[in-house]
Amino acid sequence: AQSVAQPEDQVNVAEGNPLTVKCTYSVSGNPYLFWYVQYPNRGLQFLLKYITGDNLVKGSYGFEAEFNKSQTSFHLKKPSALVSDSALYFCAVRETTDSWGKFQFGAGTQVVVTP
Amino acid sequence: SAVISQKPSRDICQRGTSLTIQCQVDSQVTMMFWYRQQPGQSLTLIATANQGSEATYESGFVIDKFPISRPNLTFSTLTVSNMSPEDSSIYLCARRGGLNNEQFFGPGTRLTVL
Repeated sequence: AQSVAQPEDQVNVAEGNPLTVKCTYSVSGNPYLFWYVQYPNRGLQFLLKYITGDNLVKGSYGFEAEFNKSQTSFHLKKPSALVSDSALYFCAVRETTDSWGKFQFGAGTQVVVTP
Repeated sequence: SAVISQKPSRDICQRGTSLTIQCQVDSQVTMMFWYRQQPGQSLTLIATANQGSEATYESGFVIDKFPISRPNLTFSTLTVSNMSPEDSSIYLCARRGGLNNEQFFGPGTRLTVL
């Protein structure tokens, strides 16, 4: 079985400061890992993914994430946060061996960026 | 990226009634997915809708409550039957895509049951 944990319900950061949103996962095999963002009254937008290769993955809107196999983590980062980054962020995992491609989502982390 | 549309975008319904949500995707896919996002919570997979066969439901979800149709490779419907206030949620459809089958989501249908 696969699972995802986002330990923080909310992250508060001042504009211009670094932003980190934490995610840890558990799978029986190798993972595909994803980050999605949800703005108010909108669907989920894909940010980035880790499949294989370089542990540092770059995605949309200046976000990046680092895959750490030993710590089973996939933290989302942005060097300089913007007020417009305020949104709900979801980490998701899919087992590479799952042909159905079912995703397991974390509980979500609300990011609040203050001016 | 993907273009996925849902209708209606939101609705307010009375207890005991049913609502059918439509999802149109921009390319032919075998699998489509239906999720529920209850207020303040994460996404929960309701079922996987395969074209040409019965939908596969996740634990806790049954066909009588959430019947799904998949008439062709670009369209699916989810019906929320005999609604109660506990069904108030955002319902999202998704399709697989990309090189590694990431999921792309529709904008969601915000359902409020009174």
